[in-house]
Amino acid sequence: KAGVTQTPRYLIKTRGQQVTLSCSPISGHRSVSWYQQTPGQGLQFLFEYFSETQRNKGNFPGRFSGRQFSNSRSEMNVSTLELGDSALYLCASSLGLGLPGELFFGEGSRLTVL
Amino acid sequence: DAKTTQPPSMDCAEGRAANLPCNHSTISGNEYVYWYRQIHSQGPQYIIHGLKNNETNEMASLIITEDRKSSTLILPHATLRDTAVYYCIVAHTGTASKLTFGTGTRLQVTL
Repeated sequence: KAGVTQTPRYLIKTRGQQVTLSCSPISGHRSVSWYQQTPGQGLQFLFEYFSETQRNKGNFPGRFSGRQFSNSRSEMNVSTLELGDSALYLCASSLGLGLPGELFFGEGSRLTVL
Repeated sequence: DAKTTQPPSMDCAEGRAANLPCNHSTISGNEYVYWYRQIHSQGPQYIIHGLKNNETNEMASLIITEDRKSSTLILPHATLRDTAVYYCIVAHTGTASKLTFGTGTRLQVTL
């Protein structure tokens, strides 16, 4: 079956702009999470959605937001981009919350802010 | 959730077993040990997880000590494609908000 799909794979923005990234989870998965990965900070948890509701949020400013749709697809938005937002943004899906199973990650969206 | 300690890097010859250690001395009784790996510029890939018993799947084996304070991930016959950063994580569940990825071990498999 198809894996986690993230679009776009690469994008370049300038400071002050905003960006929307999309994630389609594995069919049947209801939980979608987002991570930011940078060379300096590693993989950092952004937020987690289940059944269209944000269940957990990491320590990021309010410029970072997300949502989940009824078909479990998710988007994340970053407003007023800063140079430090340049990163690989990873989406992961799983069957549900609170389970000891695995996360399935997408290939990521690489954002460059100039 | 408990913290983990891993060596920053390891080398392994192709065809040999790669044994990646992880220390999690503060693990609590209901925390699982998870292993993920990340090949350069790709999303992390789940490898295996366990609670207290040793586990094996098609990718690897996970050996957890009896006191659960440490574990070892074993790749039985390492190949060049196993070159990656390996993350050991302890958490109550497998959900993202509970998985804290540290710096991991960079495994280099060589000819």
